[in-house]
Amino acid sequence: KAGVTQTPRYLIKTRGQQVTLSCSPISGHRSVSWYQQTPGQGLQFLFEYFSETQRNKGNFPGRFSGRQFSNSRSEMNVSTLELGDSALYLCASSSKTGEETQYFGPGTRLLVL
Amino acid sequence: SQQGEEDPQALSIQEGENATMNCSYKTSINNLQWYRQNSGRGLVHLILIRSNEREKHSGRLRVTLDTSKKSSSLLITASRAADTASYFCATRFTGGSYIPTFGRGTSLIVHP
Repeated sequence: KAGVTQTPRYLIKTRGQQVTLSCSPISGHRSVSWYQQTPGQGLQFLFEYFSETQRNKGNFPGRFSGRQFSNSRSEMNVSTLELGDSALYLCASSSKTGEETQYFGPGTRLLVL
Repeated sequence: SQQGEEDPQALSIQEGENATMNCSYKTSINNLQWYRQNSGRGLVHLILIRSNEREKHSGRLRVTLDTSKKSSSLLITASRAADTASYFCATRFTGGSYIPTFGRGTSLIVHP
């Protein structure tokens, strides 16, 4: 099976812009979770989608949003970018919501200037 | 914060030596997992240990869990240069939202 894929892999934006990141889960996986990883805060959970519904949400402002499509692919959007949004954004998939083992994609590295 | 915390933050050893890293957490858990991350890439799941288990093995990996001390350890035996990576523990807490939390990781360098 192909692994989790994320696009784009690298992205440079300026403050105030918005960005959309994409994640394609492993075939057959219906749960997709998003994480933000920074040197200062470590790996933090953003949200989880299952069957096109947000099931869990971390402690991030409303500028961070996501959605999931019927084919389980997911996108996350960050509006009004801030310098502190520079991070590695990781997507992980699992076969069902709350599944213990997650399979991670390579990440999208976002740099906000 | 309910985040797990790994210790040490960094570990440097020679090939063939054993590497031990620890994880502490704050509340009751359903299970604890260890992941590896190579230099800014995605995480790879290594092993899961449930709250009713005390020890688990997978190849050169040995994980222990002490729920009374709210701590876990990951032992990598006979380390190889390819084991150079960051290692994270992840927990899902009982009750409330089913949100996984990760520690800040232990950076392991294995010198050939």
